[in-house]
Amino acid sequence: GAGVSQSPSNKVTEKGKDVELRCDPISGHTALYWYRQSLGQGLEFLIYFQGNSAPDKSGLPSDRFSAERTGGSVSTLTIQRTQQEDSAVYLCGTGDYSGANVLTFGAGSRLTVL
Amino acid sequence: AQSVTQLGSHVSVSEGALVLLRCNYSSSVPPYLFWYVQYPNQGLQLLLKYTTGATLVKGINGFEAEFKKSETSFHLTKPSAHMSDAAEYFCALNTGTASKLTFGTGTRLQVTL
Repeated sequence: GAGVSQSPSNKVTEKGKDVELRCDPISGHTALYWYRQSLGQGLEFLIYFQGNSAPDKSGLPSDRFSAERTGGSVSTLTIQRTQQEDSAVYLCGTGDYSGANVLTFGAGSRLTVL
Repeated sequence: AQSVTQLGSHVSVSEGALVLLRCNYSSSVPPYLFWYVQYPNQGLQLLLKYTTGATLVKGINGFEAEFKKSETSFHLTKPSAHMSDAAEYFCALNTGTASKLTFGTGTRLQVTL
């Protein structure tokens, strides 16, 4: 597609429920990153996919968080047993893994855990 | 390890005044440096980037930044602020295609009449 598409744009859930957030990258972009932006906070790196290489999961805050990328394209970030502190905007950025690997970001998925 | 420090979480300028947003970095290898802007309820948009070559880089909307290795800085400037510049600005760094992008904590720019 023309840009990075994220869905849902807004998600309200109850504490303890599981949620899935989706990222559709720009066609041909092999690098895909997830970041979390909490209220008043900067951008926290979560996970990084590059082609068929093993993902860099070093930023995932707990084992309740996981992500997968199917066929090197669409990625899903899953948060199990959500907690109120998971409330944030989750941003997906993708790049073509060339030169400086400039990332293009989607509009984000705003998650609110009640 | 690499890091980015943005001095000033909030900056307020008058319309027409100079905009200066500060960014300092730490990296053990030559960095690639970026400025992104985030308008309310939107994603991040690339303003400009430094990779190699000319140290003064120009971006969209009249912004520019200068890479100063000796000062480990990459400050963002605009000669004359416009109301539409009000947004959050993030400085970021990576060290190549295989390295993750590290962001600063952001600076919220307010533009007043």
